[in-house]
Amino acid sequence: AQSVSQHNHHVILSEAASLELGCNYSYGGTVNLFWYVQYPGQHLQLLLKYFSGDPLVKGIKGFEAEFIKSKFSFNLRKPSVQWSDTAEYFCAVNAWANDMRFGAGTRLTVKP
Amino acid sequence: GAGVSQTPSNKVTEKGKYVELRCDPISGHTALYWYRQSLGQGPEFLIYFQGTGAADDSGLPNDRFFAVRPEGSVSTLKIQRTERGDSAVYLCASSTAGTENTEAFFGQGTRLTVV
Repeated sequence: AQSVSQHNHHVILSEAASLELGCNYSYGGTVNLFWYVQYPGQHLQLLLKYFSGDPLVKGIKGFEAEFIKSKFSFNLRKPSVQWSDTAEYFCAVNAWANDMRFGAGTRLTVKP
Repeated sequence: GAGVSQTPSNKVTEKGKYVELRCDPISGHTALYWYRQSLGQGPEFLIYFQGTGAADDSGLPNDRFFAVRPEGSVSTLKIQRTERGDSAVYLCASSTAGTENTEAFFGQGTRLTVV
């Protein structure tokens, strides 16, 4: 089964700083890639997804992610973070018709 | 319903007891997933249903855990002889998996506390 690695356990940034969260997966076949966000006390919500086509994917709230097939990576970025972006971020991989696997998550704290 | 519904939202049980957690997926979603999320961890895969059958149950930690989905809709996760280590948030998700492009929608989870 596929596995997912998130490099950063906890990231602390000041407002307006740029964000990049790393995600690598191990699976040789065609995959669907996702970033989910979990705000404190809330359930998982989809931030963005990649199925095919343009490897640069734009999601909600100004987030984007780039799929680099040769590096098996799907890093999440945001040019300027806000205090309200404080949350836990999870990368997930779903091989077609298979189950979805998640990374361990990255906790983002944005200082006002 | 409009989204994935999980009941109960909270469950406190004594060590050694049996518990059932229910998931009501989005209508028409053929795929259903169960995950377990401990504090500070990502969702840990438990089991995946495609229709009524368990397509992958490799994530179930031991034979105390069992899940069913008899009519291909509602699913129940059953835990026998609960242990304190079973305390976690149990998440359910559903999707139209089995097609190429799909995303999973999550419920709010059931917080299980074994005392």
